[in-house]
Amino acid sequence: AQSVSQHNHHVILSEAASLELGCNYSYGGTVNLFWYVQYPGQHLQLLLKYFSGDPLVKGIKGFEAEFIKSKFSFNLRKPSVQWSDTAEYFCAVNVNTGGFKTIFGAGTRLFVKA
Amino acid sequence: GAGVSQSPSNKVTEKGKDVELRCDPISGHTALYWYRQSLGQGLEFLIYFQGNSAPDKSGLPSDRFSAERTGGSVSTLTIQRTQQEDSAVYLCASSPGLAGINEQFFGPGTRLTVL
Repeated sequence: AQSVSQHNHHVILSEAASLELGCNYSYGGTVNLFWYVQYPGQHLQLLLKYFSGDPLVKGIKGFEAEFIKSKFSFNLRKPSVQWSDTAEYFCAVNVNTGGFKTIFGAGTRLFVKA
Repeated sequence: GAGVSQSPSNKVTEKGKDVELRCDPISGHTALYWYRQSLGQGLEFLIYFQGNSAPDKSGLPSDRFSAERTGGSVSTLTIQRTQQEDSAVYLCASSPGLAGINEQFFGPGTRLTVL
């Protein structure tokens, strides 16, 4: 069965530290990849997405993610985090199973200390 | 413009009762998803609708769960004979165009508590 694994459930960083959140998926076919973010008290919203082309994609607020097909990974990075990046981050994969089904990871809660 | 709305925002019910959760997607969005978010479990896919195609129900956890989408717009998720393990936040999302290649826009969710 298809699955998405996010390796870190809780991450605590100080401001200006670098961030990397891991995401691996298990599916051998064509995938579209997403990172969503949920800030405290807000709805889930899209951070960035990958469909094809350059495997390094840039999103909002200085985030980027790299698709490494051979590793089935789509890790999220930010060089210097801010207190306002405190949120829960979800990796998601759309798999083509005749239709499109979206599978989300369990999420990573990031807390940035001011 | 208006985003995805869900009602009620909170629902407390007794075990064994039926509940209906409503989702109003963004106007014109052809794809609609339902998810369940339990503490520490991430988002669990339940069902999705794409235009007039048959819905993908593969994520529904039991036959107590059903959903419909009337007129390609509003959707209702029904849980019959609720159990305590059904307690969770139920999220709805809609998407323009083809599902799978477009961003999903999420509603605020309905927090369901089964006593």
